[in-house]
Amino acid sequence: EAQVTQNPRYLITVTGKKLTVTCSQNMNHEYMSWYRQDPGLGLRQIYYSMNVEVTDKGDVPEGYKVSRKEKRNFPLILESPSPNQTSLYFCASRRLQGWDEQYFGPGTRLTVT
Amino acid sequence: GENVEQHPSTLSVQEGDSAVIKCTYSDSASNYFPWYKQELGKRPQLIIDIRSNVGEKKDQRIAVTLNKTAKHFSLHITETQPEDSAVYFCAASNSNSGYALNFGKGTSLLVTP
Repeated sequence: EAQVTQNPRYLITVTGKKLTVTCSQNMNHEYMSWYRQDPGLGLRQIYYSMNVEVTDKGDVPEGYKVSRKEKRNFPLILESPSPNQTSLYFCASRRLQGWDEQYFGPGTRLTVT
Repeated sequence: GENVEQHPSTLSVQEGDSAVIKCTYSDSASNYFPWYKQELGKRPQLIIDIRSNVGEKKDQRIAVTLNKTAKHFSLHITETQPEDSAVYFCAASNSNSGYALNFGKGTSLLVTP
């Protein structure tokens, strides 16, 4: 089954404690990205990657890091989380050539206290 | 960068009525315009998309129209049903901006029986 998976689905953590949210896709997609969703603000892109070892900033990259060492994985790293990073996070992937559907993961609900 | 405005932010219709959601975009180079539906607690899912070489596309009760001159596109849902209740997001994209999907802030549609 074609899918994007994220882990964990829910996470409560404290300010300053490094965390990683994993994302994996099994569709051999070149393009992967991370979004955060906040009430009234829609989906805002954090980082994206057009292929292995190629990453770039989206609209709200401050406080986040990513890596793309393998085509299928695109982890999101918060080195020192702060309360303003409390949000719902979605990973997504799509084929780069042509305008194919972008598939979203199930979401990770992060709370930073 | 691309700026996508979406209206209205909330929309309430009676079952069987039509619903229209409108979006405008700022980058004239944008050439791909998808619409996503997000049910409560779930991930966004593509419901219809349109490319810049097409003015209108229809899929059963859903249609999208595009006016490239005016830089706006709209989602039309006819014969609405309670299961159409969800948040709808429009987006715009072009290859010049790294294929990023720039999303509107969303429209919360409520269909009352």
